[in-house]
Amino acid sequence: ETGVTQTPRHLVMGMTNKKSLKCEQHLGHNAMYWYKQSAKKPLELMFVYSLEERVENNSVPSRFSPECPNSSHLFLHLHTLQPEDSALYLCASSQDPPSGGPNEQFFGPGTRLTVL
Amino acid sequence: DQQVKQNSPSLSVQEGRISILNCDYTNSMFDYFLWYKKYPAEGPTFLISISSIKDKNEDGRFTVFLNKSAKHLSLHIVPSQPGDSAVYFCAAFSGSARQLTFGSGTQLTVLP
Repeated sequence: ETGVTQTPRHLVMGMTNKKSLKCEQHLGHNAMYWYKQSAKKPLELMFVYSLEERVENNSVPSRFSPECPNSSHLFLHLHTLQPEDSALYLCASSQDPPSGGPNEQFFGPGTRLTVL
Repeated sequence: DQQVKQNSPSLSVQEGRISILNCDYTNSMFDYFLWYKKYPAEGPTFLISISSIKDKNEDGRFTVFLNKSAKHLSLHIVPSQPGDSAVYFCAAFSGSARQLTFGSGTQLTVLP
C-alpha cells in the first residue's frame, strides 16, 4: 500500500448504529486530518492530530470521536449520527511543521457515508 | 463566512484552449495558496502552490497568478486537455494556524 488509504469506501448506517472509519498513511508523516465534504460546500476541517496529539477539533459534535493510536493510523468513531451527517469523509496527512513551505496535505480516497 | 471563495461552480472549455479558474479570499494573513484537483471516487491531489510574496508560479501547463491587492488568485491551464476534467479546489494556508482553508471547488469540463 502507498499513500493514504481509507476503509470502508462506502458506509450506510442507521442513526442508532456505531461504526468507525479507518485511515492509514504510508508516507512517514507526523500529522493527520479528518475533513468532511458535503455537496457543493468547501472541505470542512474536523480534526487535526500532530505527533499523535489532537490540536484542533473545530467544534465538531461529540457524536464524532477521533482516535490516533500512532502516527500512521487515524480513526473516526461514529455514534448516533443524523441524516445531515451524510457526506464524504476525507483523511489527509502531512509533515508538520512544514519545512519552510505550505502544508501540502496528501488525501485518501474518502469514505462515502450515508445515514438513514 | 467563507474565507476562501470559488464563485464559479462549473466551467466548460474546448480542448486546446485556456482554462481559467478563479478564487477570492478575505484573510490577508494567509502565507501560501494551493490548488488541488479531485477526480470522482478519489481524494484531492496537490497541483501547484504559490507563496504570498510572489505573484506568479508556473509548472508546465499550469500557472497560478496572485493579486494580493485584490485578494484574488487564478489558475491557468493551457492547453487544456480532456484529462484535466475534474473538480479544482483552491486552498489557503495559514502558517500561524497551521491549517488549510478550502474553497467549495469548481468543476472543470474540457470538451474534446
